[in-house]
Amino acid sequence: GAVVSQHPSRVICKSGTSVKIECRSLDFQATTMFWYRQFPKKSLMLMATSNEGSKATYEQGVEKDKFLINHASLTLSTLTVTSAHPEDSSFYICSARDLARQGDTGELFFGEGSRLTVL
Amino acid sequence: GQNIDQPTEMTATEGAIVQINCTYQTSGFNGLFWYQQHAGEAPTFLSYNVLDGLEEKGRFSSFLSRSKGYSYLLLKELQMKDSASYLCAVLDSNYQLIWGAGTKLIIKP
Repeated sequence: GAVVSQHPSRVICKSGTSVKIECRSLDFQATTMFWYRQFPKKSLMLMATSNEGSKATYEQGVEKDKFLINHASLTLSTLTVTSAHPEDSSFYICSARDLARQGDTGELFFGEGSRLTVL
Repeated sequence: GQNIDQPTEMTATEGAIVQINCTYQTSGFNGLFWYQQHAGEAPTFLSYNVLDGLEEKGRFSSFLSRSKGYSYLLLKELQMKDSASYLCAVLDSNYQLIWGAGTKLIIKP
């Protein structure tokens, strides 16, 4: 199957600093990637849809200036949490579809996730 | 609004069979997915149903009834490693994936 790699898997930062998380599609081109946030014992919450070469589409209630998304190439999307605060501590997961895959069903391929802890 | 319901938690015994139900109300339907998620890890794909009926894949089977807005995931010969959360998700008419809250499955020896 298609592989999505996410880095870093864990990051601890001080309040007020910014943290960048990378999401790469390793063996396919992803024009669209999705960023999710997951709170403990909760389901995935879609934050934004990242579109290669254009602005990301943010879900209602997600601050676009707080969570900067850049999708500069067909294999890389980045999420930057700016001026992080303890309430931003969470599990962030990216995913992508391989639209060129024969018989694409809409299946999402997920990165490993990044656990952010803001002190 | 769009809604997906599944039980919050279920408990089953090793070696037994368990059925996790999912009901949905969405604007359009382009398929239903089941994902497995172990604590602290990203979800992994289990199954995809777009037509009515049962899809079998090893110990796991998934069933869909579009007229009833209903699906279930059936896990047979349960193993301890099956302890995880199981997420039901529906692809709506805009090809947006709508997620259920997940069912935490606890397997006891």
